[in-house]
Amino acid sequence: AQKITQTQPGMFVQEKEAVTLDCTYDTSDPSYGLFWYKQPSSGEMIFLIYQGSYDQQNATEGRYSLNFQKARKSANLVISASQLGDSAMYFCAMRARNRDDKIIFGKGTRLHILP
Amino acid sequence: GAVVSQHPSWVICKSGTSVKIECRSLDFQATTMFWYRQFPKQSLMLMATSNEGSKATYEQGVEKDKFLINHASLTLSTLTVTSAHPEDSSFYICSAKRGGFQHFGDGTRLSIL
Repeated sequence: AQKITQTQPGMFVQEKEAVTLDCTYDTSDPSYGLFWYKQPSSGEMIFLIYQGSYDQQNATEGRYSLNFQKARKSANLVISASQLGDSAMYFCAMRARNRDDKIIFGKGTRLHILP
Repeated sequence: GAVVSQHPSWVICKSGTSVKIECRSLDFQATTMFWYRQFPKQSLMLMATSNEGSKATYEQGVEKDKFLINHASLTLSTLTVTSAHPEDSSFYICSAKRGGFQHFGDGTRLSIL
């Protein structure tokens, strides 16, 4: 069975500091993809970053980077130089190609950036 | 690119009525769309996979007669909540698949009085 675990229900971080959001996953599929989404209070799902299971390098997108440790089945999101606008819910998600590309989501982490 | 429009954004209606939510891919064709439900302070839960020209595939525990899905064209899937009751109040969000990625609509907040 596939599973995504986010162990941090909420985090408070001072503005301009870096923040790491934890995500571990479990799958028996050899090919899979890992995603991070941001969901502000308005509700839309904003795609942040993607890591494929065969990618050799960690994904980066601007201030976002994904710390992919395959052996540990970990895919932590790192946000550098946090901003007030980063306050939102963050979801880690996984897609398996042999499961019709369905995505399963973790329970999420509520991030609060403090001024 | 990869814009998905979901309509309406908000709907409030009386118990017992049926509500239709539309999900459109505006600049690409999507043979597969997905419907999710999200209760307050919870994660997104997949309800069903909508396939153009065929029947939707429902996740375990989702009532197919309650949540009717129609995917009649390559750019439109609809979710109809039939005989809605207060426990159906939730945030419903769709996504359209392009390549290996899902592109999400902005969601619909459904409140049943």
